[in-house]
Amino acid sequence: SQQGEEDPQALSIQEGENATMNCSYKTSINNLQWYRQNSGRGLVHLILIRSNEREKHSGRLRVTLDTSKKSSSLLITASRAADTASYFCATDAYSSASKIIFGSGTRLSIRP
Amino acid sequence: EAEVAQSPRYKITEKSQAVAFWCDPISGHATLYWYRQILGQGPELLVQFQDESVVDDSQLPKDRFSAERLKGVDSTLKIQPAELGDSAMYLCASSLGGKPGLAYEQFFGPGTRLTVL
Repeated sequence: SQQGEEDPQALSIQEGENATMNCSYKTSINNLQWYRQNSGRGLVHLILIRSNEREKHSGRLRVTLDTSKKSSSLLITASRAADTASYFCATDAYSSASKIIFGSGTRLSIRP
Repeated sequence: EAEVAQSPRYKITEKSQAVAFWCDPISGHATLYWYRQILGQGPELLVQFQDESVVDDSQLPKDRFSAERLKGVDSTLKIQPAELGDSAMYLCASSLGGKPGLAYEQFFGPGTRLTVL
């Protein structure tokens, strides 16, 4: 079963624009992670945010976490063609921080 | 830069045949994961190892799937017999792990694309 659900399922934007993806989850978590997957490849870790954190930055990425709403967002600023990929949020099982459950992903396409 | 290795990258087999996938995690990573990813969906955990011990195999179809990590380093995932519904990407990941209650970044291999005919 998948705990996190991303929204939208697919997103197409112009190069240079900002992309925002959202993730909602059902049960309490210790932390939430975002991963990127290029077509036909393995996943690459982007950022981890803990339940006591509200916002984190890494380069052009900004992640927010609202535990009261059980939701997170991933913002990619000044998008590039190379950002075209699927993005997944992954939440841990509260009873086991080392096990994470992936959502179904947002497929992001950047138009040149 | 250290990477998770997987082989083969692609595997085509007929149903009822046996298949095996191999994974070599990043050196020093205690935790190893096997995931199955169906096209258009997120990865689903099949089995998680801490060193050589299985800590979670609740989603592993044990009638046909088996996994081992005998020396706590590399790992093999086997399917016997393969069914049409097993067609998917099989991903291996590893992380430092070891401390209960802490989350660790997972490093993924390139995956094995399995097609069952």
